[in-house]
Amino acid sequence: EAGVVQSPRYKIIEKKQPVAFWCNPISGHNTLYWYLQNLGQGPELLIRYENEEAVDDSQLPKDRFSAERLKGVDSTLKIQPAELGDSAVYLCASSLVSAGGTDTQYFGPGTRLTVL
Amino acid sequence: ILNVEQSPQSLHVQEGDSTNFTCSFPSSNFYALHWYRWETAKSPEALFVMTLNGDEKKKGRISATLNTKEGYSYLYIKGSQPEDSATYLCAFDPANRDDKIIFGKGTRLHILP
Repeated sequence: EAGVVQSPRYKIIEKKQPVAFWCNPISGHNTLYWYLQNLGQGPELLIRYENEEAVDDSQLPKDRFSAERLKGVDSTLKIQPAELGDSAVYLCASSLVSAGGTDTQYFGPGTRLTVL
Repeated sequence: ILNVEQSPQSLHVQEGDSTNFTCSFPSSNFYALHWYRWETAKSPEALFVMTLNGDEKKKGRISATLNTKEGYSYLYIKGSQPEDSATYLCAFDPANRDDKIIFGKGTRLHILP
């Protein structure tokens, strides 16, 4: 079974430039997550999708960040414009959430963003 | 505000020695506790999901215990090997399914040859 795929793996941009990350979850997984992981910190949730619907985007800085999950499969996360403080690892995860079940998430390798 | 704490932050262990580290979490609103292993340049890998107080899970040389009443979980590694070098993350999965999973900052384990 293929795992969660993310691209690119690394991205270096100058501040004020736009950037986009792409995620392909595990086939059949209904829930998709984007996390931000700063150095020395645990992953912090940015947005959670159940199928196509964003059910928790309370931590997404909506002035510059946007996300979409078309057709309930792949997802993109965009930052426009990027700031120096956005340098971090952006992780995508997916899970198959069922009633009464636990939410074991399967992660991609992440995109390491460096903003200069 | 939910707080998930992991200790120690970093740990150096001689190859062949056994070690353990801690995850503490809220004792209320508990649904499950997850452990992940994250090797450098790889994806975080799910190790265990634990739901019942007193639960003990084992996978090879790695095991974990759970105490939901006092809000802690231990991860044990027996006979450490170089491939155990990684960051170990725990994640608190709340009973209120509208609340999000909260990750700790991780314990960074270095195995010394």
